[in-house]
Amino acid sequence: EVQLVESGGGLVQPGRSLRLSCKGPGFTFGDYAMSWVRQAPGKGLEWVGFIRSKAYGGTTEYAASVKGRLTMSRDDSKSIAYLQMNSLKTEDTAVYYCTRVRITMVRGVIIGAYFDYWGQGTLVTVSS
Amino acid sequence: SYELTQPPSVSVSPGQTASITCSGDKLGDRYACWYQQKPGQSPVLVIYQNNKRPSGIPERFSGSNSGNTATLTISGTQAMDEADYYCQAWDSSTVVFGGGTKLTVL
Repeated sequence: EVQLVESGGGLVQPGRSLRLSCKGPGFTFGDYAMSWVRQAPGKGLEWVGFIRSKAYGGTTEYAASVKGRLTMSRDDSKSIAYLQMNSLKTEDTAVYYCTRVRITMVRGVIIGAYFDYWGQGTLVTVSS
Repeated sequence: SYELTQPPSVSVSPGQTASITCSGDKLGDRYACWYQQKPGQSPVLVIYQNNKRPSGIPERFSGSNSGNTATLTISGTQAMDEADYYCQAWDSSTVVFGGGTKLTVL
């Protein structure tokens, strides 16, 4: 059974850092791209970023709103994806979901992507 | 940047058909998918690649995508379908979500 389990959320002051983890038992973790999606209280879903599988270079893409402050990485030997969050702002307050990504490619170009499994989410609160 | 627009709310009577739209420039040229989110729960994928249902999703959920509009249709809507629904597409190495639609089953 595919599972995604996030951890690392909590209360943090503005300007500080936090690292979220997402462990993914139940599937061959290294074969998949992974992504983070966040949801501010009472708001909609906002994509944060994703990291490709090593087979596709393990490279990353980020939303403009977080580029330069949030960084994704992965350790396939441990089946864990990480989200390093630096210079946190109050507007980063949200539930952060880890997701497994299914990518559609044509001639090596990504033409579509969707999230087939989601974790339970971890709450990050940025406040002084 | 690419944008997807959804109506904030849709109401439907039990047993009737609910249609939730998602609009974006030439959206029909892209793959659209849909997620259902109930209060206090994580989102669940209900439609991917415009019209495919993941395993375990009831047949009453269907999708279409043409022109500038993708549509999620729920036939024979049940009380358990009351939830927020989000469309999503891929654009230039980024993922875009619609703002979400609250489906109320009256």
